[in-house]
Amino acid sequence: DIQMTQSPSFLSASVGERVTLSCKASQNINKYLDWYQQKLGEAPKLLIYNTNNLHTGIPSRFSGSGSGTDYTLTISSLQPEDVATYFCLQRNSWPWTFGGGTKLELK
Amino acid sequence: EVQLVESGGGLVQPGRSLKLSCAASGFTFSNYYMAWVRQAPKKGLEWVATISTSGSRTYYPDSVKGRFTISRDNAKSSLYLQMNSLKSEDTATYYCARQEGHFDYWGQGVMVTVSS
Repeated sequence: DIQMTQSPSFLSASVGERVTLSCKASQNINKYLDWYQQKLGEAPKLLIYNTNNLHTGIPSRFSGSGSGTDYTLTISSLQPEDVATYFCLQRNSWPWTFGGGTKLELK
Repeated sequence: EVQLVESGGGLVQPGRSLKLSCAASGFTFSNYYMAWVRQAPKKGLEWVATISTSGSRTYYPDSVKGRFTISRDNAKSSLYLQMNSLKSEDTATYYCARQEGHFDYWGQGVMVTVSS
C-alpha cells in the first residue's frame, strides 16, 4: 500500500498569511492526488483534485502543486473560515490511501 | 443540488451485521461510481469500498474485504454497505461519496459503534 505522510500535523497561522501544507507519498503517484477540507463536526469537502484542479465553488486562494511523490496545498491568504483539518488522498493505485491530516488553526 | 443521505447506523455487538444505506438525489445516480469512506473517532479517513456504475465491479481494501459488501440499486438511486462480522475497529462514522475519480460530494455521515 502507498503511505501518505502529511506535514506538519498541526499548524497555527495568522489571518492573511500564506500557508503551505505538504503531502508526501511513499512512491510515485503520478499526480493522482486530491485535497479535502474537513471542518469540525462536518463531512469532508473536496478542494482540489489531480494535484492542481480546483473543485467547483472553491475560492481561488486555494491552489495545489506537485509531482512524483511530493505535493503541496497552498492557501494564499488565510481566512478565518479556513480553520479545518486538511487531508490528502492518493488515487494512483488500490487501495486508495489518505494522509493523516494537517490541523490548521488561527494564531 | 447533489444530496447524499446516509442511514442505518447504530450500536451493534461484535460479530454481528449491519446494513447502511445512502439515498442520492440531484444527479443521475446511474452515471457515477459510488463509494464509502469511514472515519474512526478522532482519527483520519479510510476508503472502505467503491462500486462501478452498473454494480458489476467492486473494490475493497484488505481491512474489510470478505466482510463488507457494497451494492447499489440504480432504480432507487440508492447505495448500500452490508457489514458482516463486525469488529470494534469498525467503529466509525461512515460517509457515502460520489466518485468522479475523486470523491466530489459527500453525505453527512452515519455513526456505527461496535461494542458489547
